Amino acid sequence: QVKLVESGGGVVLPGSSLRLSCEVSGFRFGNFATHWVRQAPGQAPEWLAVISSNGYRQEYLDSVEGRFTISRDNSRNTLFLQMNYLRPEDTAVYYCAKSNSFGVRGFFDYWGQGTRVTVSS
Amino acid sequence: DIQLTQSPSSLSASVGDRVSISCQASQDIMIYLNWFQQKPGKAPKLLIYDSSNLETGVSSRFRGSGSGTDFTLTITSLQPEDIATYYCQQYESLPYTFGQGTKVE
Repeated sequence: QVKLVESGGGVVLPGSSLRLSCEVSGFRFGNFATHWVRQAPGQAPEWLAVISSNGYRQEYLDSVEGRFTISRDNSRNTLFLQMNYLRPEDTAVYYCAKSNSFGVRGFFDYWGQGTRVTVSS
Repeated sequence: DIQLTQSPSSLSASVGDRVSISCQASQDIMIYLNWFQQKPGKAPKLLIYDSSNLETGVSSRFRGSGSGTDFTLTITSLQPEDIATYYCQQYESLPYTFGQGTKVE
């Protein structure tokens, strides 16, 4: 069965960095693009970034481009999100989501349970 | 960016009621529109993809329709387990965006 498990969240100071991981199982990870989506408390989900199945193409939401980097290690079935220069408005639950396709255009057919990031002084 | 406007923002209904939620896009997104259900403390769950296709394992009481800029999610006979917040989401162009949600109570 498809499973995605995020880790790496926590409470950090503004300006700090965090690296989130998403370990997947139950499907051929290297065949599908994957996304990061976040959800601030009481808000709708917000798409952040996508990486193609082979890792060659990445796309970002404007407000995180240059601060966040999405990457993947297909040999370890793991997706990453490196987050630098964190701001209080980055406080949210961060989800990884599997795409239905190998390219950056696709929909989110499976989600992890999320990892909470709190940025506060 | 493509804006998605859902209506209503919340609704109250009884078991067995037919419930409809609207999602309007700020520009033509063809059929690249999905619907998600989210319960408190849980990740969103895909219900409908490409406007009208039922995701595997999802009850047939959920139906999606529409194309272009106007879309509708219908729950044909509301059940207690359908109490949740529903989001539409487009993937016609980046950045992928979500509607603001409709809470079904």
